[in-house]
Amino acid sequence: DVKVTQSSRYLVKRTGEKVFLECVQDMDHENMFWYRQDPGLGLRLIYFSYDVKMKEKGDIPEGYSVSREKKERFSLILESASTNQTSMYLCASQRERHHQETQYFGPGTRLLVL
Amino acid sequence: GDSVTQMEGPVTLSEEAFLTINCTYTATGYPSLFWYVQYPGEGLQLLLKATKADDKGSNKGFEATYRKETTSFHLEKGSVQVSDSAVYFCALSDGTGFQKLVFGTGTRLLVSP
Repeated sequence: DVKVTQSSRYLVKRTGEKVFLECVQDMDHENMFWYRQDPGLGLRLIYFSYDVKMKEKGDIPEGYSVSREKKERFSLILESASTNQTSMYLCASQRERHHQETQYFGPGTRLLVL
Repeated sequence: GDSVTQMEGPVTLSEEAFLTINCTYTATGYPSLFWYVQYPGEGLQLLLKATKADDKGSNKGFEATYRKETTSFHLEKGSVQVSDSAVYFCALSDGTGFQKLVFGTGTRLLVSP
């Protein structure tokens, strides 16, 4: 079974702090994604990566950056956390870049910014 | 751009009732269509998918048929259980460009005994 793990299930940070969310997949998948999930808005794509050291902006990249130094690990960085970044963050991985391929999701990190 | 529209929730049913959750889409190209489910406190899991017109995806008693003529992918189950209570997301992945997943807003299903 594919396993996608996220470093924290719950996180509380203060405004202005730098926040790191880590995601690891164990199936040698090429592609990895970061989404945020908000009530009434569904899932929105923040950033994605098709290869090591490669990144692409999604639909809402402002205020975020990412890092993919190793194939199995994809980090989401909030450079200076703000209260409007309070949300559920979901990481996903995908075997290869094809529209038929399933994305596999981690359990999510619920972030509260005070 | 591509988009997915789902019916508003919550959908409230009694156990053993018939379930339909409507999903329609707009897309360029020939998308693949997915239903994901999110149980309380968990991430999303793939429920079923269909990759071309007239395909039927099925899993755990749930079914959905890819209808190109009506641009729909409605989710159905003949007899729901309390354990089916969750949020259901319809999504598409277009066959062009970056082939990202585009999600609907989700429909919460509540099943009572």
